[in-house]
Amino acid sequence: GQQVMQIPQYQHVQEGEDFTTYCNSSTTLSNIQWYKQRPGGHPVFLIQLVKSGEVKKQKRLTFQFGEAKKNSSLHITATQTTDVGTYFCAGRSSGGSNYKLTFGKGTLLTVNP
Amino acid sequence: GAVVSQHPSWVICKSGTSVKIECRSLDFQATTMFWYRQFPKQSLMLMATSNEGSKATYEQGVEKDKFLINHASLTLSTLTVTSAHPEDSSFYICSVRDPGPRYSNQPQHFGDGTRLSIL
Repeated sequence: GQQVMQIPQYQHVQEGEDFTTYCNSSTTLSNIQWYKQRPGGHPVFLIQLVKSGEVKKQKRLTFQFGEAKKNSSLHITATQTTDVGTYFCAGRSSGGSNYKLTFGKGTLLTVNP
Repeated sequence: GAVVSQHPSWVICKSGTSVKIECRSLDFQATTMFWYRQFPKQSLMLMATSNEGSKATYEQGVEKDKFLINHASLTLSTLTVTSAHPEDSSFYICSVRDPGPRYSNQPQHFGDGTRLSIL
């Protein structure tokens, strides 16, 4: 079945440093979504990428979708303590049914003030 | 405000008890809801897709007789963990797919989750 791999598993940075998490799928994706889960909370939708090579920005967050639609990345510029949490990518295979998403294992980001 | 309401948020009960978890879509009618399980510091594992008015679709390895899903209305899906045992202790989260054109790619809205502890 479809597998979504995400690295790194953990990342600790000093406030102000940049952060990147990478996501790779074993199959071509129709779309990829990114979620953020604060400690003790539930996942919150951040963004969705659909087009090959797409790049979207949300303030300090930059999301990319690979040309082959099998990988994606999330980059945070100048991290802040409010960025702390686990970032998950989630993808749906091309031709997949029932809107099912496969989640990566997530990257836990901690920020030292 | 919240799009999805999940109840209860925390359950502690004895082994052998059956536990029902409710997931309500507050802002829109949801023909499809999803149930996930999450172990500490791990990813979300899809258990089943709940379909309004029909049987749920279970993922491979998930026992349908153990995890009963009922989606009787467009705003409510329930997950019942039957005869729960300590190994069923986990964080269970439901999600609702944002409405949109059929077969389109829409985000999911998650409930706050239910922490289930079986003694």
